[in-house]
Amino acid sequence: AQTVTQSQPEMSVQEAETVTLSCTYDTSESDYYLFWYKQPPSRQMILVIRQEAYKQQNATENRFSVNFQKAAKSFSLKISDSQLGDAAMYFCASQIYNQGGKLIFGQGTELSVKP
Amino acid sequence: GAVVSQHPSWVICKSGTSVKIECRSLDFQATTMFWYRQFPKQSLMLMATSNEGSKATYEQGVEKDKFLINHASLTLSTLTVTSAHPEDSSFYICSASVGQVNQPQHFGDGTRLSIL
Repeated sequence: AQTVTQSQPEMSVQEAETVTLSCTYDTSESDYYLFWYKQPPSRQMILVIRQEAYKQQNATENRFSVNFQKAAKSFSLKISDSQLGDAAMYFCASQIYNQGGKLIFGQGTELSVKP
Repeated sequence: GAVVSQHPSWVICKSGTSVKIECRSLDFQATTMFWYRQFPKQSLMLMATSNEGSKATYEQGVEKDKFLINHASLTLSTLTVTSAHPEDSSFYICSASVGQVNQPQHFGDGTRLSIL
């Protein structure tokens, strides 16, 4: 079975500081993708970053980067220079290659940013 | 590009009625769309995978007769909640991929369903 676990229900960060959100996953498959999605109060789902499991290099998108540890099945998200607009729910998700494209989401981490 | 439109954004109806939610890919063709359900402060739970021209694939525990899914064209999938009851009240979100299903999914803005 494919599972995604986010053990931090809530996190808080000071504006301009750095915060790391944790995610672990479990799968027996070798080909998969991992994602971080952001859901602000508007509830729109916004793709933050995507990582292909076969790539050793960690994905980076501006202030967002991941620490992908395949052996440990860990996929954490680092947000640098946090901004007030980063406050949202963050969901980690996995997608198994060639299994129809469905996403399995973690429980989510609610991030608050203090001015 | 890659816009997914969901309608309506909010609907309130009486218990026992049926409600239809539409999910459209505006600028691309989507052979596969996905329907999720989200309770307050919780994660997205996949309900079903909607395939154009064929029957939807439902996740375990999702009532097929309660949640009817139709994917009649490459740009439209609908979810009908039949004989809705208060426990069906939730936030429903659809998504679609551009091209291959392993591409990142683009989400609609969701529908807030409230059953009185």
